Amino acid sequence: DVKVTQSSRYLVKRTGEKVFLECVQDMDHENMFWYRQDPGLGLRLIYFSYDVKMKEKGDIPEGYSVSREKKERFSLILESASTNQTSMYLCASSPPFQTVKPQHFGDGTRLSIL
Amino acid sequence: GNSVTQMEGPVTLSEEAFLTINCTYTATGYPSLFWYVQYPGEGLQLLLKATKADDKGSNKGFEATYRKETTSFHLEKGSVQVSDSAVYFCALGDTGRRALTFGSGTRLQVQP
Repeated sequence: DVKVTQSSRYLVKRTGEKVFLECVQDMDHENMFWYRQDPGLGLRLIYFSYDVKMKEKGDIPEGYSVSREKKERFSLILESASTNQTSMYLCASSPPFQTVKPQHFGDGTRLSIL
Repeated sequence: GNSVTQMEGPVTLSEEAFLTINCTYTATGYPSLFWYVQYPGEGLQLLLKATKADDKGSNKGFEATYRKETTSFHLEKGSVQVSDSAVYFCALGDTGRRALTFGSGTRLQVQP
């Protein structure tokens, strides 16, 4: 079974801090994704990566950056955390697609910015 | 662009009731369609999928049929259980965009 592991289930940080959310997958997947989940809004794509050191902006990249130095690890960085970034963050991975493949999700990190 | 619209929740049912959660989509081309489920405190799990028109995806008693003519992928289950209480997400994927497009989610509460 694919396992996607997010480093923290719950995280509390202060406004202005630099915050790192880590995600590791064990299935050698090329594609990795960061989503944000908010009530009534579903999942919104922040960034994704299709290869090491490669990244593309999603629908809501403002205030975030990402890093993918190794294939199995994809980090989401909040450069200067703000209260409107309080949310559930979900990481996902999938194999490369010539046809669409399902994504595999981690359990999420619930981030609170005070 | 792609979009997915789901019926709003919460949906509250009694055990053994029939479930329908509506999902319609807008997309160019021929997308693949998915239902994901999120149990409390967990991430999303793939529930079922369909990759072409008239395909029926099924799993754990849940079913959904890809209807191109009505651009719909409604989720159904004949007899729900308390353990089915969760949030259900409809999603769409196509080869032109690597990430999936998700609906807003529908919370299902099943009462004993």
